Amino acid sequence: DVKVTQSSRYLVKRTGEKVFLECVQDMDHENMFWYRQDPGLGLRLIYFSYDVKMKEKGDIPEGYSVSREKKERFSLILESASTNQTSMYLCASTAGDQETQYFGPGTRLLVL
Amino acid sequence: GESVGLHLPTLSVQEGDNSIINCAYSNSASDYFIWYKQESGKGPQFIIDIRSNMDKRQGQRVTVLLNKTVKHLSLQIAATQPGDSAVYFCAENMIPGGSNYKLTFGKGTLLTVNP
Repeated sequence: DVKVTQSSRYLVKRTGEKVFLECVQDMDHENMFWYRQDPGLGLRLIYFSYDVKMKEKGDIPEGYSVSREKKERFSLILESASTNQTSMYLCASTAGDQETQYFGPGTRLLVL
Repeated sequence: GESVGLHLPTLSVQEGDNSIINCAYSNSASDYFIWYKQESGKGPQFIIDIRSNMDKRQGQRVTVLLNKTVKHLSLQIAATQPGDSAVYFCAENMIPGGSNYKLTFGKGTLLTVNP
């Protein structure tokens, strides 16, 4: 069974704080993705990584950065959290030659 | 179908009925499609997928139909159960053969199963 875990289910942070969201997968997948999900907007890709230390911007990278130091771990960083970053954040992974993305349980972030 | 604005399309069915959820995709060059189920407060869960060289694929209680002529995808759920209540959304691979397999997701349909 593919397992993708996220470090927190719920987070409450204050405007201006630096926020780290962690994602770990145990299937040796090459590709990892970070999305945010908002009502009426669906899943929007923030960043993805296709290898260790490799990253590419998705559709909405502004205000975010990522880190992939190890193959199993992909971190999303909010350098200075803002209220418009209140959202559900979802991590996903795929094997290098597969399109099926497997998702973690999500982190619901509230920025006050 | 796909949502417009802030409100998801909804489908309400009786337990035991068959459900059909529709999705219009955007790229005629997409060659891979997938359906996800997302229960409240959880991450999306893979249901079934299909490649563009097929027009039908069956799983356990689910069938996906692909009509490339009109760029339409549907998910059929047989004998719908209360546990099927969730948001269902489709995704397409808009970069066929790309090395990173990015998917583009629809906004989803809320399925409610009445006991």
